[in-house]
Amino acid sequence: AAGVIQSPRHLIKEKRETATLKCYPIPRHDTVYWYQQGPGQDPQFLISFYEKMQSDKGSIPDRFSAQQFSDYHSELNMSSLELGDSALYFCASSLRGLAGTRQFFGPGTRLTVL
Amino acid sequence: KQEVTQIPAALSVPEGENLVLNCSFTDSAIYNLQWFRQDPGKGLTSLLLIQSSQREQTSGRLNASLDKSSGRSTLYIAASQPGDSATYLCVTSGTYKYIFGTGTRLKVLA
Repeated sequence: AAGVIQSPRHLIKEKRETATLKCYPIPRHDTVYWYQQGPGQDPQFLISFYEKMQSDKGSIPDRFSAQQFSDYHSELNMSSLELGDSALYFCASSLRGLAGTRQFFGPGTRLTVL
Repeated sequence: KQEVTQIPAALSVPEGENLVLNCSFTDSAIYNLQWFRQDPGKGLTSLLLIQSSQREQTSGRLNASLDKSSGRSTLYIAASQPGDSATYLCVTSGTYKYIFGTGTRLKVLA
């Protein structure tokens, strides 16, 4: 079965640079969630989109923005990168409307900021 | 292939009860196990993370235990409140892979 696809899998950037992470949800899933997990830390919810509209917002810095496109894929744009942004970023997708629906996680993008 | 199962699938209790949610997994080669809370239409909220070398973690009214050898984890909720109503998910973690449990839908009645 198709899973959530994230690209790139690894990314190395310098401080103050910009990064764009992409997430392709499971086909027919209409909701995408972004999470950030720092080394040894719990995943932190950043933001989610449902039907191309932002549906929930967590601890996403103002330097980050995201959107969901007409084909339901999502991009997380990160500007003015800081060393503390080094983390594993993963997205999850789900099909909203089903009680107790599960989120299916992608493999993650490991971002390293030097 | 890792399979994660949670029992019960749904639970409805009166306010004030102490609860036990169960999670079992088939592959004990995990890095850690996490318990999340999911509210309808919302992102996940991480509750507790237990590293594979740990046996227990506590946060407020929540206590989670891990027994890797038997492939089990338990989430204990003390003195439940209506605000605890949500779906609770356990998630096993390997390198870049998160396997979610089937979830327990909890409803705490006022």
